[in-house]
This record gives sequence, C-alpha cells and structure tokens, in this order.
Amino acid sequence: NAGVTQTPKFQVLKTGQSMTLQCAQDMNHNSMYWYRQDPGMGLRLIYYSASEGTTDKGEVPNGYNVSRLNKREFSLRLESAAPSQTSVYFCASRFTSSGANVLTFGAGSRLTVL
Amino acid sequence: TQLLEQSPQFLSIQEGENLTVYCNSSSVFSSLQWYRQEPGEGPVLLVTVVTGGEVKKLKRLTFQFGDARKDSSLHITAAQPGDTGLYLCAGTNAGKSTFGDGTTLTVKP
Repeated sequence: NAGVTQTPKFQVLKTGQSMTLQCAQDMNHNSMYWYRQDPGMGLRLIYYSASEGTTDKGEVPNGYNVSRLNKREFSLRLESAAPSQTSVYFCASRFTSSGANVLTFGAGSRLTVL
Repeated sequence: TQLLEQSPQFLSIQEGENLTVYCNSSSVFSSLQWYRQEPGEGPVLLVTVVTGGEVKKLKRLTFQFGDARKDSSLHITAAQPGDTGLYLCAGTNAGKSTFGDGTTLTVKP
C-alpha cells in the first residue's frame, strides 16, 4: 500500500501567489489532518476532517482553506501566500483501534514563499 | 490549548550510553504516542500508550505513561547510531493530537 501520498514535494512561491497541496490516502481512514512543521516548533495542526464532508479548524488555520473531496482526498489551499507560511507541510490520516490513535503521515511538502 | 513540553530539546551521546526523554503536560490525555522522524520524511509511530502507569517495551526502547495520563518518558538503553533522529511525543484527545516540540537525538559511533 502507498499509505499517504502528498504532492508536490517541493514548491517555491512568490508572495501573493496561490497554490493547493494535495493529499490522498488508500487505507480507508475516516479522519485526515494537515500539519505544518517549523524548526524547533514541532507539528502544529492547521485543519482536520473527522469524516467525509466535515472540516474543522486546528491550532493555526489563518491563511489556509481545506477541502475534503472524498474519503481518500484532503487538500490544503493557500489563497495568498506569505513568507510566514514557509514551512514543511504534512498530511496525515488516522486509524482508531481499541481506543488508541495512530496517525500515518505522508513524506511532507516543503514550501518556500519568497 | 493543550501544551506538551519535551526535554531535552537536543541530546548528543556516545554509542552505548543510556538516555531518557521526557514529555510533560498539565492536560490529561486519553492516549499518548511517540513518533520518530528522520530528515526528509514524515513521523513514524513507535508506540501508543493508553492506560495510566502503562509501560511498553520495544527492543531497547521503554515507554512509560504517567499514572495521571499527563506525562510520559522514553528510555533508550545502549543507544546506537541508528537511533539518531527526531523523537516526538503527541497527546491525543477526541481525535486530535497535540505534538511536543521534539527531541533531536544524535548518537555518535
């Protein structure tokens, strides 16, 4: 299984440009998440989708929008990129079993905003 | 906001030494996970603990969940260069995980 697939792996944008990060999972997980990771700051939750058709804000949602296209796909859109959005973005999906929570992550998308 | 504090932030040791990484919070979590991340890759789950006081062992790694389910520790025995990486703890409630800032471990041969 491919697990969680993110595209693109790398992207350079100019301030004010827009772009969409794509994420797909083939594990039939209900929940999907977008995190950003900055040096020394761990992973911060941007948006999540507990199930198909629902989305909710996380810790740092400003400047982002998301779409849960179907059960497999969850995209993250930057409408007007800012240098503060330079980061590594990770998509993840969640499997719950016996009360435990397991996040499976993609390989990340490194975004630079000039 | 549920905060998780990890310590130390950086750790550089010689092969064969033992080490402990701590993850502390003032919040109670229904479960806590430890992940390991290598450069250019996403975090990979090492273990999940659910019950207060729970201890899990994974080869040379020992994970403990505090009795009050607010803190956890990761102990590595006889560290090897292959253990080098970023170790992240995450506390989970209601399907959302909050991550600590991570501990960067370097094990020198």
